[in-house]
Amino acid sequence: QVQLQESGPGLVKPSGTLSLTCAVSGGSISSINWWSWVRQPPGKGLEWIGEIYHSGSTNYSPSLKSRVTISIDKSKNHFSLNMSSVTAADTAVYYCARVGYGSGWTKMDVWGKGTTVTVSS
Amino acid sequence: EIVLTQSPATLSLSPGERATLSCRASQSVGTYLAWYQQKPGQAPRLLIYDASKGATGIPARFSGSGSGTDFTLTISSLEPEDFAVYYCQQRNTWPPGWTFGQGTKVEI
Repeated sequence: QVQLQESGPGLVKPSGTLSLTCAVSGGSISSINWWSWVRQPPGKGLEWIGEIYHSGSTNYSPSLKSRVTISIDKSKNHFSLNMSSVTAADTAVYYCARVGYGSGWTKMDVWGKGTTVTVSS
Repeated sequence: EIVLTQSPATLSLSPGERATLSCRASQSVGTYLAWYQQKPGQAPRLLIYDASKGATGIPARFSGSGSGTDFTLTISSLEPEDFAVYYCQQRNTWPPGWTFGQGTKVEI
């Protein structure tokens, strides 16, 4: 079955750029799905960041849109998150997830284990 | 943007008891609502989607109901492994994206 694995630096300096990759195994990223990023600050709830369709179309959270880019690399079977101008408020566990089709695109049915990113000098 | 409000924030119960968790949407979402379970140090796990459909491998003691603005997740008889945080989630039509509730912690 499809598995997801996040990777990237665990420490990013303030004002720098956070870059994460989500590797897809057991399936193809070219399958008809949306692929999403979600984060969770320490001790807090879940926040959706953005998503990318297999075709490359994207949607972003309005509150993060100006700083976020999500891309897809079909040759490497992975998708990526870039977040610029980070601050301590961006410290969180970052998850990637597959969006599955129920009655619509209504469920995140596969999740990575998450990767912790700390923003600090 | 639709806001999801979960109640209660914390639910204190014993194993074997019935748990009833609520999620209220600020406007109708039809039946496009999902529930997730998250244990400490783990990723969320999909339990219920489309308000009442059980995800693959989810025990039958988990059930979802509701439509429009009011939704319920019921755990018929709590097992020790069910003590966790539960989130509801819906997909926005416009702007396209996702919203999570703030979570309900089910504790012993």
